[in-house]
Amino acid sequence: GESVGLHLPTLSVQEGDNSIINCAYSNSASDYFIWYKQESGKGPQFIIDIRSNMDKRQGQRVTVLLNKTVKHLSLQIAATQPGDSAVYFCAERVTGGGNKLTFGTGTQLKVEL
Amino acid sequence: DTGVSQDPRHKITKRGQNVTFRCDPISEHNRLYWYRQTLGQGPEFLTYFQNEAQLEKSRLLSDRFSAERPKGSFSTLEIQRTEQGDSAMYLCASSLAAGQGVGYGYTFGSGTRLTVV
Repeated sequence: GESVGLHLPTLSVQEGDNSIINCAYSNSASDYFIWYKQESGKGPQFIIDIRSNMDKRQGQRVTVLLNKTVKHLSLQIAATQPGDSAVYFCAERVTGGGNKLTFGTGTQLKVEL
Repeated sequence: DTGVSQDPRHKITKRGQNVTFRCDPISEHNRLYWYRQTLGQGPEFLTYFQNEAQLEKSRLLSDRFSAERPKGSFSTLEIQRTEQGDSAMYLCASSLAAGQGVGYGYTFGSGTRLTVV
């Protein structure tokens, strides 16, 4: 079936370095992608989104890149901080799918001091 | 309105008992979604409502599960005859419907952690 997956289950970075979290998706009908951050015991928190007609979008310290040719999505976090430690999920929405999201399994980001 | 609220935060129940969870969405959001999340996995879609109408149910939602949103505001998710496999985090999210000009982003609640013993 259609799925969203992540390449790296755990990513460790030094404080101040940049982090890159990757995601592969398989449904070419997906028109919208979202990155979420989830801390222990909390619900997913919206970070940034991108529509399929874009290839890059920037937020505060975060950038999402979309490569539709290879169905790849990435989240870049600049100057990673200890507060960025969490599990990160990418999610996709399929056109006409009623706005429900399909999530990947997540990447644990650990920021080392 | 500070976001999506879910109650209770934690629920421990014996196998075979019924449980009910409540979700209060952001007041102006007309879409409400239920997801289930097991440890180490991403959330899985269960069902969603637009106003009071339940528009889609996942095959994950067996006959023991029922969700309602009677007045188009809060929603309840009931699980009857709970099984150990029902142990998970149950997440609620809300959004405006697509096409209403404010983006498609969801706001999730903090979830209800269900443990079936």
